[in-house]
Amino acid sequence: AQKVTQAQTEISVVEKEDVTLDCVYETRDTTYYLFWYKQPPSGELVFLIRRNSFDEQNEISGRYSWNFQKSTSSFNFTITASQVVDSAVYFCALSERGSQGNLIFGKGTKLSVKP
Amino acid sequence: EAQVTQNPRYLITVTGKKLTVTCSQNMNHEYMSWYRQDPGLGLRQIYYSMNVEVTDKGDVPEGYKVSRKEKRNFPLILESPSPNQTSLYFCASSLWGQLNSPLHFGNGTRLTVT
Repeated sequence: AQKVTQAQTEISVVEKEDVTLDCVYETRDTTYYLFWYKQPPSGELVFLIRRNSFDEQNEISGRYSWNFQKSTSSFNFTITASQVVDSAVYFCALSERGSQGNLIFGKGTKLSVKP
Repeated sequence: EAQVTQNPRYLITVTGKKLTVTCSQNMNHEYMSWYRQDPGLGLRQIYYSMNVEVTDKGDVPEGYKVSRKEKRNFPLILESPSPNQTSLYFCASSLWGQLNSPLHFGNGTRLTVT
């Protein structure tokens, strides 16, 4: 069973639009961590955020914000006033207790921001 | 600069010709791991290492070997590459192999096996 689902394969927006990338996860652990990574066209993977299962506070960092809701097992990522430089593939990932540090990745959402 | 370094960035080889992709980190991290990325499949773990001389299989270990003789290095070995191992490979490290340690990734190695 897929443990991290990113239902949106590709999203295309025009610059300055807001966009939300969805992430739904599945786990039986009560302690777990969720992550978002960005993969720009150059190919490297960039760590964006980590959230533990006990902290449901929303996080805001500049134009980026994250909404974690345990009730719906979701950890969505919103970019406000998108820019061309936000164009990338974004991955949501889950780390469970006993996973030996392994991250379970979703299949990614490719975001294209057009000028 | 703290980083994970993989070499080479690009590699084209033929079926059956042994190859090694090197990975080195300068952050004194205990934990290292290899992932492969394929279109439509996301990233999947191949092998990981909790510490020197300790390695274990990930989700897709078939056709790969690793070794961890030193803390900083974690090479990925393909003894007899096949075309289905054509992929983008990432090495990663973290301070501890614990669920709250974010992984730091190398820049990737794009491997083509013909």
